[in-house]
Amino acid sequence: NAGVTQTPKFQVLKTGQSMTLQCAQDMNHEYMSWYRQDPGMGLRLIHYSVGAGITDQGEVPNGYNVSRSTTEDFPLRLLSAAPSQTSVYFCASSHLAGSGDEQYFGPGTRLTVT
Amino acid sequence: AQSVTQPDIHITVSEGASLELRCNYSYGATPYLFWYVQSPGQGLQLLLKYFSGDTLVQGIKGFEAEFKRSQSSFNLRKPSVHWSDAAEYFCAVGGGGADGLTFGKGTHLIIQP
Repeated sequence: NAGVTQTPKFQVLKTGQSMTLQCAQDMNHEYMSWYRQDPGMGLRLIHYSVGAGITDQGEVPNGYNVSRSTTEDFPLRLLSAAPSQTSVYFCASSHLAGSGDEQYFGPGTRLTVT
Repeated sequence: AQSVTQPDIHITVSEGASLELRCNYSYGATPYLFWYVQSPGQGLQLLLKYFSGDTLVQGIKGFEAEFKRSQSSFNLRKPSVHWSDAAEYFCAVGGGGADGLTFGKGTHLIIQP
C-alpha cells in the first residue's frame, strides 16, 4: 500500500510556464484535495473533489485547475506560473467528506517559481 | 467563517518534561477537531481527532487532547516529551462537510537535551 503519492518532489519553473503536479492514491478514497503550505500560514485548501468527475474550489483556487477522471488520480495544473505560487503543495485523501474524516497526506511537492 | 489560532509560533521544552500546545478555534456549530504533526520535509500525520463524545481523546505517540467547548479550545498534551517529538504541530477544524479543513499556522516544537 503506497498511500498517497506525489510527483515530482521538487520543481523549479520560470514565470509564465505551466506544469502539472501529480497525485495518486491507492486506498479507494472518494475525497481528494490539494493544499498549499506557506511559511507562517499553515495549510490552505486550493481545490477538492468528492468523487470522479466532481471538483470544487477551496480557499485559494486562482491560478490552478484540477480534474478528476478516476478515483485514484487528482492532478493539479498551474496554468501560468507566478512567483506567488512558490510553495509546498500537499495532496490529501480521505474515505469520507474532507472535514469529517482523517486526511492522508502525500509527501509534498516543493515548487519554486522564478 | 471558521478559524484556528495557535498562539505559540515556537515552543522549547526539555526532554522528559511535559508539553501543552494551545489551540483555539472559531466555529458556529459542533466542530470536528484534529491535531496533525509534520516532521521536517515530510507530509502531515494525524495524531488524534475529536468528533463527539468523551472530551478527552487519546492519540498516537502518547499524545492526548481535551476539547473544551466553553473555551473553544482543543489543547494538545504529552506528559513526557522525547527528542523525536521535535516537529511542527498543526491544529485543524472542520464542519464535517466536503469543504476541507481550516488549519492553524502551526507551532514549532524544539526539544532541548
